[in-house]
Amino acid sequence: QKEVEQNSGPLSVPEGAIASLNCTYSDRGSQSFFWYRQYSGKSPELIMFIYSNGDKEDGRFTAQLNKASQYVSLLIRDSQPSDSATYLCAAHSGAGSYQLTFGKGTKLSVIP
Amino acid sequence: DVKVTQSSRYLVKRTGEKVFLECVQDMDHENMFWYRQDPGLGLRLIYFSYDVKMKEKGDIPEGYSVSREKKERFSLILESASTNQTSMYLCASSFTVGEQYFGPGTRLTVT
Repeated sequence: QKEVEQNSGPLSVPEGAIASLNCTYSDRGSQSFFWYRQYSGKSPELIMFIYSNGDKEDGRFTAQLNKASQYVSLLIRDSQPSDSATYLCAAHSGAGSYQLTFGKGTKLSVIP
Repeated sequence: DVKVTQSSRYLVKRTGEKVFLECVQDMDHENMFWYRQDPGLGLRLIYFSYDVKMKEKGDIPEGYSVSREKKERFSLILESASTNQTSMYLCASSFTVGEQYFGPGTRLTVT
């Protein structure tokens, strides 16, 4: 059974701080990883993906992947109240698989 | 911009009714997906389709069926609605599996 685990939160950070969201996965064969953001009452939207070990930066967002530790994280720098949402981590096993395995999400609250 | 639309935002049906949920995407995506999302259980895949007339079961297909007669349209069918199918239903489409675009969702209540 492939699993993606996330702390449900809520994770509360003050405005301007760094928010760190973490995710572990059970399938060692997972090849690529995705972060989706879901605002309350809305549907998920893709914000980042990462395929290789190391860091990938996009604006205030940095995704980090450590395949040896089966660990993925998302850092949000200079957190804003508009970042308050639930963040879903997802893993894909690679070619031949049509499914993403989603975590249950971490709720982030950025306090002004 | 990719647009994924779903036929209804809110739907109320009675137990035993046959329910159709429709999803349409405008980006010529090969892959389409149906999920349900419940508090504490997260997103769970019901069915997916990687081509017209092709469908595969996801993690929770029981009580559901799907139809994909045209590339842009993917329908979810509840053959005989039950109260435990009350949920938020989300459709998604994608070119690559990981980069999915979700529709606005249909909140279905079965009474």
